[in-house]
This record gives sequence, structure tokens and C-alpha cells, in this order.
Amino acid sequence: EPEVTQTPSHQVTQMGQEVILRCVPISNHLYFYWYRQILGQKVEFLVSFYNNEISEKSEIFDDQFSVERPDGSNFTLKIRSTKLEDSAMYFCASSAQGPEQFFGPGTRLTVL
Amino acid sequence: AQTVTQSQPEMSVQEAETVTLSCTYDTSENNYYLFWYKQPPSRQMILVIRQEAYKQQNATENRFSVNFQKAAKSFSLKISDSQLGDTAMYFCAFKLGYGGSQGNLIFGKGTKLSVKP
Repeated sequence: EPEVTQTPSHQVTQMGQEVILRCVPISNHLYFYWYRQILGQKVEFLVSFYNNEISEKSEIFDDQFSVERPDGSNFTLKIRSTKLEDSAMYFCASSAQGPEQFFGPGTRLTVL
Repeated sequence: AQTVTQSQPEMSVQEAETVTLSCTYDTSENNYYLFWYKQPPSRQMILVIRQEAYKQQNATENRFSVNFQKAAKSFSLKISDSQLGDTAMYFCAFKLGYGGSQGNLIFGKGTKLSVKP
């Protein structure tokens, strides 16, 4: 069964460094999302992406964040200058025409 | 704005018994979807069940069923014959029905379910 994959599973970085989190959505899906979950808190929406552009973003998704689909398979989230409060689990999700979103296993980002 | 509330931070149930997790939501929209996601200790979010707001019939997936009360804006999850593998965090989620698949999910804070042998 096809699934969303994410790499790396765990990323440790120093404050102020740039990180790129990678996702490979399910191949025939058209809509892509990033969510984050700070430890012990609920899952929060960051951004959605369709037809090579951002379709919606939350107030969390400020100028430090960007997304890209550099080729036909990858979907990336870049954080330009990480802050301590960016430490969280980041989930990629994708969907086809239906309302269900399918999540990847997540990347745990630790900012020191 | 839409909100999702899960009022039970933690619950436990004996193996083979039935447990119900509560979820309420607030919206002024009429067209939306509701979901339950499971997040086991491995932390991957797994879709358990979905309900379309326009459907009166409650969704069922094997041992999982929902009680959808649209007027009360309530969407509870019932797990029958609980198994040890059901131990997980359960999130209720809401999604508006317009805009095709582009709408984002709005999650509740989750209920941590422990199934005891």
C-alpha cells in the first residue's frame, strides 16, 4: 500500500541554522500539507500546497518557512533560521481528490 | 473559526471491553468532514474513521464506530473489543468541505487511551 515517507526521522540542529525537511507524498496525490506537533500539544496546520503554489497557510508559517516541490516526487519544508521554539515533530501529509489526508511518520526536529 | 474540543485527556479500558472517546466541535458551516486519527507511540498519524456531515448514518470501520450528532456538534468514537494495540493518542479532526481537498485539518488536543491487559 502506498504511503507518505519523510526524511530524516530525526534532525538535530543549532539555533540559527537552516534545515530542510523532506517528504515524498503518495504518487498520485495532488495536495500536500505540513503540520507540526510540539511535544505534548495538538497537531497544528502550517501550510497546504497545490499546483506548485501555496494554497493556504497558518499564522505560524511566517517568513522563516518556505515550501517547495523541486521535482515530481519530493515536497520540502525549509526553516531558514531555526529557533528553539521550532523544536517539534513535523508531519507531511498528502491527499487525492477525497477529503482524507494521509500522514507520513514525521520528522522530529530538535533545535539546540 | 472552527474549533475541536476533546475533554478527556486520558482514558483507560480493559482489554476486550468497549470505550467511547468524546469530541465536540464548533462551526457555522454545514458542509464538513470529521475524522478520528490514531497516533501510537511510533507517532505516525493513522486515519481510523471519517464521517461526512451530510450523511446521517454513522460511519463504522470494523471495531471502530462513531456517534455523530450534528445538531449537538458531537462526534464520539466507540472502540469495541479493545485490543492492546489500540493503545495510542486519539485525535478528533475537522475539515471544511469546500475547496476540494485543500482544506486543512483542525485537530483537538487528543485523548490518550491505554488498554490494560
